[in-house]
Amino acid sequence: DGGITQSPKYLFRKEGQNVTLSCEQNLNHDAMYWYRQDPGQGLRLIYYSQIVNDFQKGDIAEGYSVSREKKESFPLTVTSAQKNPTAFYLCASRIDRESGPQHFGDGTRLSIL
Amino acid sequence: GQQLNQSPQSMFIQEGEDVSMNCTSSSIFNTWLWYKQDPGEGPVLLIALYKAGELTSNGRLTAQFGITRKDSFLNISASIPSDVGIYFCASGGATNKLIFGTGTLLAVQP
Repeated sequence: DGGITQSPKYLFRKEGQNVTLSCEQNLNHDAMYWYRQDPGQGLRLIYYSQIVNDFQKGDIAEGYSVSREKKESFPLTVTSAQKNPTAFYLCASRIDRESGPQHFGDGTRLSIL
Repeated sequence: GQQLNQSPQSMFIQEGEDVSMNCTSSSIFNTWLWYKQDPGEGPVLLIALYKAGELTSNGRLTAQFGITRKDSFLNISASIPSDVGIYFCASGGATNKLIFGTGTLLAVQP
């Protein structure tokens, strides 16, 4: 089945550590996105990538980094510079930059120990 | 930045009732999307609207793209317990980024 796979489902981080969240899609979509969701709030865009080897900052990129070395993969690293990393992280993809809706993975919940 | 105003913030209804929620914006958009999110899961696309005035149904769900291109509504008819969740509107313009509403929490009492 085609879809977007995020792993792990739950992740715990010690203060001062970097952690990487995985997002893989087999939909052959060009564009991929990372969002952060806090309780009772909507989704806020962290980073997005319209094509392999290219990505742009979203609205809340500080303390995060990404890479897009392969079309199907868009990992997100939460660095120690992100002072409030506890949140639900959602990855999405879209067939191309101009058309079609975004489709989401099932999310990764990150908590600080 | 651009914002979507989604209302109501929450709804508590009896099974069988109809539900209506809406999103408005001060900006014009080319796309309106409606998603549903269950606890601990990612949002799932319900309906996508691409043309002003467009009215689209998906089972018991009906959504419309406002004629001014600044608003959209979602109706759910004859609600059932599995309709429980958070409903988000999302909209996009010339760029490929989406803007999301703050969500409507729907609770359905059997």
